[in-house]
This record gives sequence, structure tokens and C-alpha cells, in this order.
Amino acid sequence: QVQLQESGPGPVKPSQTLSLTCTVSGGSISTTCCYLNWIRQPAGKGLEWIGRIYADGSANYNPSLKGRVAISVDTSKNQFSLKLDSVTAADTAVYYCANAARSGTYSYFHQWGPGTLVTVSS
Amino acid sequence: DIQMTQSPSSLSASVGDRVTITCRASQPISGYLNWYQQKPGRVPNLLIFAASTLHSGVPSRFSGSESGTDFTLTISSLQPEDFATYYCQQSYDVPYTFGQGTKLEIK
Repeated sequence: QVQLQESGPGPVKPSQTLSLTCTVSGGSISTTCCYLNWIRQPAGKGLEWIGRIYADGSANYNPSLKGRVAISVDTSKNQFSLKLDSVTAADTAVYYCANAARSGTYSYFHQWGPGTLVTVSS
Repeated sequence: DIQMTQSPSSLSASVGDRVTITCRASQPISGYLNWYQQKPGRVPNLLIFAASTLHSGVPSRFSGSESGTDFTLTISSLQPEDFATYYCQQSYDVPYTFGQGTKLEIK
């Protein structure tokens, strides 16, 4: 059973960079069919897709984040990571990593990490 | 970006009721629509993918349908464990987008 777990250094100050890592266990990132994703959810609000990366390093990002985001993958460690620059209080949220699965051409978010709360505060 | 508009934003219902939640896409998405259930403090769980395909292990009281750019999630007979927030999500194109959610509460 594949499991995902987010980890990060804790609270972030405004204007600094948020960094999170998702460790995948029970399966290899190198052989996954599908994209690895980051999704966030501010307290009491809805879900926002941040971006995705494939095992070969090809990535797509949400334009709403205005070029502040970068996702990378380390297949040797079975991890993928998120960096979000120039954070503000609006970036305070629970951050989830999730892997996608596919049925034919249809994809969906299949397995999620438990989520990690990142608070942006001075 | 493809906008997903869910309605209603909240809904009160009783155990045994039939409930319908609607999601409208801002452009055709050819059935690339997923539904998730999220309970407070928990991770979203997939219910339906490809507009109408029930995910493994999901009770058959849940169903999905498609009519053009309108998608519907129906719960045929509400059970106590179904009170949660429901989200639609399009997987047609990036950036993937979610509806704003429908909170289903006990009447």
C-alpha cells in the first residue's frame, strides 16, 4: 500500500520561502504511472491545486501562484518537494501531497498524505 | 482556467433523504470530472471519477451523472456517515480546479 507523508520545517515568516517534502513509501516514484501533486487548503476553505511533477522532472504549476512555485523530484530518495517563494499570510494552509491514478485517459487524486499545516506569521 | 461552480454551497438534509449536488464547468470537459468527500480534519476521499464511475469501495448509494457541462452527484438515501463536504474537480486540463464545496449538514 503506497503511503505519502509531508514534512517541513514549521512556521514561515512573511517574504520567506516555504519548503515541504513528500516522502512516498510502499511504491517507487520512478515506476509510477502518473503525476505527483501538491494541493493546499486554507482553514475552513476549499481545495487549490498547486502543481504536479512526473518522475522525469516535467512539471506544471498553477498560474495563480504567479511564478512563486517550484516542484522537484528526487527518485533516489523517493521524494518530491515544494518550494513557494515570497509567502504571505494568504499562503497559510494545510498542504497535501497526493499521487494521481489513471483509468484510461481519466485521472484522479488517488492517495493523499495526511497534510501539514503551514502558518505564515512574523 | 476552467472554473467549476458548485451548488448549493450548503445543504441541510435528514437521514434517508435523496440529495443532489451540482457542479457546472465553464467549458466542455468531456466527462473529466471527479467527486471527493471530505470530513472535518480528514483528507479528501475519492467517490467518483470520470463523471460516473464509482471508485472501489464506495457505497452504491452514491452516483454521478453528466449532461453537457453540468455534473451531478446524487446520494440516494443519506446515511449518518455521509454528512461531510463534497468537492468536484476537473481533470480535463491543468491547472486542475475544484468547485468551492458543498457542506452537507444534518437537518
